[in-house]
Amino acid sequence: ETGVTQSPTHLIKTRGQQVTLRCSSQSGHNTVSWYQQALGQGPQFIFQYYREEENGRGNFPPRFSGLQFPNYSSELNVNALELDDSALYLCASTGGGRGPGETQYFGPGTRLLVL
Amino acid sequence: TQLLEQSPQFLSIQEGENLTVYCNSSSVFSSLQWYRQEPGEGPVLLVTVVTGGEVKKLKRLTFQFGDARKDSSLHITAAQPGDTGLYLCAGAVSSGAQKLVFGQGTRLTINP
Repeated sequence: ETGVTQSPTHLIKTRGQQVTLRCSSQSGHNTVSWYQQALGQGPQFIFQYYREEENGRGNFPPRFSGLQFPNYSSELNVNALELDDSALYLCASTGGGRGPGETQYFGPGTRLLVL
Repeated sequence: TQLLEQSPQFLSIQEGENLTVYCNSSSVFSSLQWYRQEPGEGPVLLVTVVTGGEVKKLKRLTFQFGDARKDSSLHITAAQPGDTGLYLCAGAVSSGAQKLVFGQGTRLTINP
């Protein structure tokens, strides 16, 4: 148990639809990162939010967007869903430190299937 | 773009054998982390190595960070069925965001 929760656990959508995934960070953590893990692959960095501002972005198109709220919880929104968006979406929280050993604590993920 | 190559991708061995998983890159990372992931769950941190040449031990697991901080290895001694799982290495990149670059993972199966 990392203290990071995500909802929903599973979701089925059709192509073209929009989806919102939610993440509650570990208590006291002000930084949330989102990752996409396709089947059989390692997670890929989507973006990071620090104190409600986007703080870095991976190689994902603009239809992937996010929000962070004053309580540091976060949302990942994906518009115009494509079949390749089917994946496990993970969020991870940290305390926002900049040390090289800063640990990211992962939630259990949301499994998204796009039909 | 930083990439981490993890090998082997699949490994199936008998209980009691030893094994090594490798994680290689041409990039330098500020730290390297090893995670284990069970089906339906998020990755769980096993260890973080920060200093080049650093060796850390966690019971039967030994983790090493290369001198140049570009590669790492995970060695398991006397593997047990409970070690079965997906092992992921991840390099930490600090360029604005503290992001992790993951390898593809090693699916390890230990047969009784």
